[in-house]
Amino acid sequence: AQSVTQLDSQVPVFEEAPVELRCNYSSSVSVYLFWYVQYPNQGLQLLLKYLSGSTLVKGINGFEAEFNKSQTSFHLRKPSVHISDTAEYFCAVSDPDTGRRALTFGSGTRLQVQP
Amino acid sequence: NAGVTQTPKFRVLKTGQSMTLLCAQDMNHEYMYWYRQDPGMGLRLIHYSVGEGTTAKGEVPDGYNVSRLKKQNFLLGLESAAPSQTSVYFCASSYGRDSGTDTQYFGPGTRLTVL
Repeated sequence: AQSVTQLDSQVPVFEEAPVELRCNYSSSVSVYLFWYVQYPNQGLQLLLKYLSGSTLVKGINGFEAEFNKSQTSFHLRKPSVHISDTAEYFCAVSDPDTGRRALTFGSGTRLQVQP
Repeated sequence: NAGVTQTPKFRVLKTGQSMTLLCAQDMNHEYMYWYRQDPGMGLRLIHYSVGEGTTAKGEVPDGYNVSRLKKQNFLLGLESAAPSQTSVYFCASSYGRDSGTDTQYFGPGTRLTVL
């Protein structure tokens, strides 16, 4: 079965500092990868997704992620965070076990931006 | 355009009681999903539907039933609630392609407590 690992459950960082949130996936077949963000007391919304082509994907709010097939990773980065980036971030992969009709999510990383 | 809406937002049940959660989407999406979110576990797929009149089991279907009588609605039922079903429930929808490339759009969630 497909699995997604987010090694860091919490990442504290100061405002204007860079941040990297790590994501590794298990599948060796071709994959589609997603990052979703959940602001407090809200549902999830898409940050960015990798489908094919360039391994560097740019998303909303200045975030970007790099697909690395050899390391089965899809780490999320932002060069300078704001207080408003405080949220939980979920990495997800399109699940071949459901015929790619659903997503498998990681356990989430809580980004805490401090002033 | 309301997107994905969920009813109710909060609910407290006693063990053994039943209830139905309603999800509605106005984007004419084919696929709809029910997830549960528990601390440290990310989102786990309960059931999903790839079209009106169809349903399929996800990762954690036990104790839940679903129905998709109308394209825009996806109902999640708990016949006999248990404390282990205390969670936040999210509904999502997507356009509906088996390629696995679609973005999922999430509702705001329902916080359910079973005493």
